[in-house]
Amino acid sequence: DAGVTQSPTHLIKTRGQQVTLRCSPKSGHDTVSWYQQALGQGPQFIFQYYEEEERQRGNFPDRFSGHQFPNYSSELNVNALLLGDSALYLCASSLTSKGFRSYNEQFFGPGTRLTVL
Amino acid sequence: DAKTTQPNSMESNEEEPVHLPCNHSTISGTDYIHWYRQLPSQGPEYVIHGLTSNVNNRMASLAIAEDRKSSTLILHRATLRDAAVYYCIVANAGGTSYGKLTFGQGTILTVHP
Repeated sequence: DAGVTQSPTHLIKTRGQQVTLRCSPKSGHDTVSWYQQALGQGPQFIFQYYEEEERQRGNFPDRFSGHQFPNYSSELNVNALLLGDSALYLCASSLTSKGFRSYNEQFFGPGTRLTVL
Repeated sequence: DAKTTQPNSMESNEEEPVHLPCNHSTISGTDYIHWYRQLPSQGPEYVIHGLTSNVNNRMASLAIAEDRKSSTLILHRATLRDAAVYYCIVANAGGTSYGKLTFGQGTILTVHP
């Protein structure tokens, strides 16, 4: 089992550009969440995708968008990049529970380090 | 999700037990207590979770106060590999199932040889 994989590992962009980050979930998982982690901070929830739809969203502007494909993989798109978007972007996968109070741990990938110049 | 308070940093010696505290005084009845850790240059990884009773797994133990307003993650014998940032997260069952984890600053654990 390859676990959660993300690509690319590092990326350098300039202000105003657009970027697409990719995530393949752990085998058997159907749910993908994206997090942004600034240097020295804890990860911040961006949004989550399940059944190819955005199910929950954190406090991030519309410049951040995503997509989930039928094979459960996901993309994170960021438009009009700002210097403040420089961060580690983490993808986490899980299996959506159908049971009451069932627990689904999240498995995180190694992240994509985005630098905006 | 309920707010959590953790010490910024803690230190331990190798092969000694480590007790990492977390305060969550606004926890609600359906909130789980989750612990994740993040090793250097890696994404976070799940450690343990609990609701009301103390929990044990191969990685750690979780001791939950009777009023559930605080909890302690216990590493029974710290190794150098346990040096990481430890995050205590409180989220309800629905929140857990939907996967939104609200991370704070966490506790930086340093383990000395």
